[in-house]
Amino acid sequence: AAGVIQSPRHLIKEKRETATLKCYPIPRHDTVYWYQQGPGQDPQFLISFYEKMQSDKGSIPDRFSAQQFSDYHSELNMSSLELGDSALYFCASSLGRTGDTEAFFGQGTRLTVV
Amino acid sequence: TQLLEQSPQFLSIQEGENLTVYCNSSSVFSSLQWYRQEPGEGPVLLVTVVTGGEVKKLKRLTFQFGDARKDSSLHITAAQTGDTGLYLCAGPSGNTGKLIFGQGTTLQVKP
Repeated sequence: AAGVIQSPRHLIKEKRETATLKCYPIPRHDTVYWYQQGPGQDPQFLISFYEKMQSDKGSIPDRFSAQQFSDYHSELNMSSLELGDSALYFCASSLGRTGDTEAFFGQGTRLTVV
Repeated sequence: TQLLEQSPQFLSIQEGENLTVYCNSSSVFSSLQWYRQEPGEGPVLLVTVVTGGEVKKLKRLTFQFGDARKDSSLHITAAQTGDTGLYLCAGPSGNTGKLIFGQGTTLQVKP
């Protein structure tokens, strides 16, 4: 079965640079979520999209933006990168967004800012 | 603010032993999910419990949702080294599908 695809798997950037992370949801899933996971921490919700519209927003810095495209893939754009942005970034997708919705996660992008 | 508290945070046991991980909250959840995560990889969904009092079994793993839908447990029977990993409980916050996670339980099963 097709899973959530994220690219790239690893990314090394310098401070103040820009990074773009991509997420391809499971086919027919209409909702995409982005999470950030620091070392030894649980995933923290950043932002989500439902049917190409922003659905919810968490603790996402103003330096970050995201969108969901017509083919339902999503991109997370991160500018003016800081050392503290180094983390694992996960995308998850679901069909619908009710309280019973099951979210499936991609393998993540490990971002290292040097 | 909804919070999920997992215990224990760390667990190191011998192969063949049984263990239980707890996920507690003061809030009611419409569902709770359990994920397993390997280092550097994404969380993999193990199970979703929806009904209060529900018990679900996945081979040697037994998941229970509390009657009041405020807590859940994961019980592993006869643990194997392949069970080693980080176990996360998660629940929906609000009605947009976003999840809040417990702090996780790091399980190490020694041969």
